[in-house]
Amino acid sequence: EAGVTQFPSHSVIEKGQTVTLRCDPISGHDNLYWYRRVMGKEIKFLLHFVKESKQDESGMPNNRFLAERTGGTYSTLKVQPAELEDSGVYFCASSPGGGGYEQYFGPGTRLTVT
Amino acid sequence: SQQGEEDPQALSIQEGENATMNCSYKTSINNLQWYRQNSGRGLVHLILIRSNEREKHSGRLRVTLDTSKKSSSLLITASRAADTASYFCATDARIKAAGNKLTFGGGTRVLVKP
Repeated sequence: EAGVTQFPSHSVIEKGQTVTLRCDPISGHDNLYWYRRVMGKEIKFLLHFVKESKQDESGMPNNRFLAERTGGTYSTLKVQPAELEDSGVYFCASSPGGGGYEQYFGPGTRLTVT
Repeated sequence: SQQGEEDPQALSIQEGENATMNCSYKTSINNLQWYRQNSGRGLVHLILIRSNEREKHSGRLRVTLDTSKKSSSLLITASRAADTASYFCATDARIKAAGNKLTFGGGTRVLVKP
């Protein structure tokens, strides 16, 4: 069974540009989460999808971040326009159910904004 | 301070020794999960322990949970060089029945010297 995959593995963009990150969850996992770790800080929750619906987006830092999960399969996270403080590693995770399930993480996308 | 704080922040041991790290949290939890991150890679799920469980084993890993003290420990027995990694605890901050976001601590960096 394939794990959670993320693309790209690394992205370097200039301040003000747009970047789109993609996450493919484990097949059949309805729950999809985005997290990020900025330099020197803890891994922080961004948002949670159940199928195509946003269940909780309380961790989204501001309206420069837009997440979608059309069709309830893969998800994208767009940052527009990117700022320096957006640099970090963005992780995606999926789980087969709701409460009490392990979350399986992807390898992450390292975003560098210069 | 943050939910899910690990102690110590860094740990250096010889191969064959045991490694113990602790995690403290503040709020009531549904479950607590431990993850490992090797350098530059994604998070690997190690163990999930539920709030009604006190101890759990998986291979050379032993996790305890004390909900009265809001703390958990991860013990790695007979450590190997391959155990060198960062270890994170994450608490299930249950908000809605349909799914849980994880709240991570800063992690413990473990170095196992050959």
